[in-house]
Amino acid sequence: AQTVTQSQPEMSVQEAETVTLSCTYDTSENNYYLFWYKQPPSRQMILVIRQEAYKQQNATENRFSVNFQKAAKSFSLKISDSQLGDTAMYFCAFMKPGLDDKVIFGPGTSLSVIP
Amino acid sequence: AAGVIQSPRHLIKEKRETATLKCYPIPRHDTVYWYQQGPGQDPQFLISFYEKMQSDKGSIPDRFSAQQFSDYHSELNMSSLELGDSALYFCASSSPQRGYNEQFFGPGTRLTVL
Repeated sequence: AQTVTQSQPEMSVQEAETVTLSCTYDTSENNYYLFWYKQPPSRQMILVIRQEAYKQQNATENRFSVNFQKAAKSFSLKISDSQLGDTAMYFCAFMKPGLDDKVIFGPGTSLSVIP
Repeated sequence: AAGVIQSPRHLIKEKRETATLKCYPIPRHDTVYWYQQGPGQDPQFLISFYEKMQSDKGSIPDRFSAQQFSDYHSELNMSSLELGDSALYFCASSSPQRGYNEQFFGPGTRLTVL
């Protein structure tokens, strides 16, 4: 069974600074997808970034980038130039490819951006 | 772009009552997933449907049932509600065009059981 671990329940960062959220996972699969979801106070689940395990290149989306270390089963999220709107719960998530599979979420990291 | 629609957005019920949550996937998405997120917790998978057939089942109580209809919308039926059923219920959908490799989440239905 797959598991996702986020060892930082809470983090804070000054506005305009950079912060890195950690995530590790456990799987015996070779091909899979990893995601970071953002859940602001509205509790909408928003996809931030997506990484395909068979791709060596780390995914980037504007101010968001990941450091994907497949051998170490590590998938950290870096947020650059943090903005107040980045304040949210961030969930790391895992999914096997294909139609039948569910998303497995980590416990989440609550990020506060301080003005 | 069209998103996943869930209704109602908020629902308040008494213990032992029943509730029905509805999910309308993105057009041309044929697969629907239901998740439950308790207070302060991460979302947990309940059940999924592909082409109107149940495709996978997670930690869904026997008091809950769900189905997917011919227009691909899905309903989650919850009976004999308990206080512990108070949660945010997400529906997500995926499509063959994206190889089912990404799930798009709806805004959620917040269920409160009193």
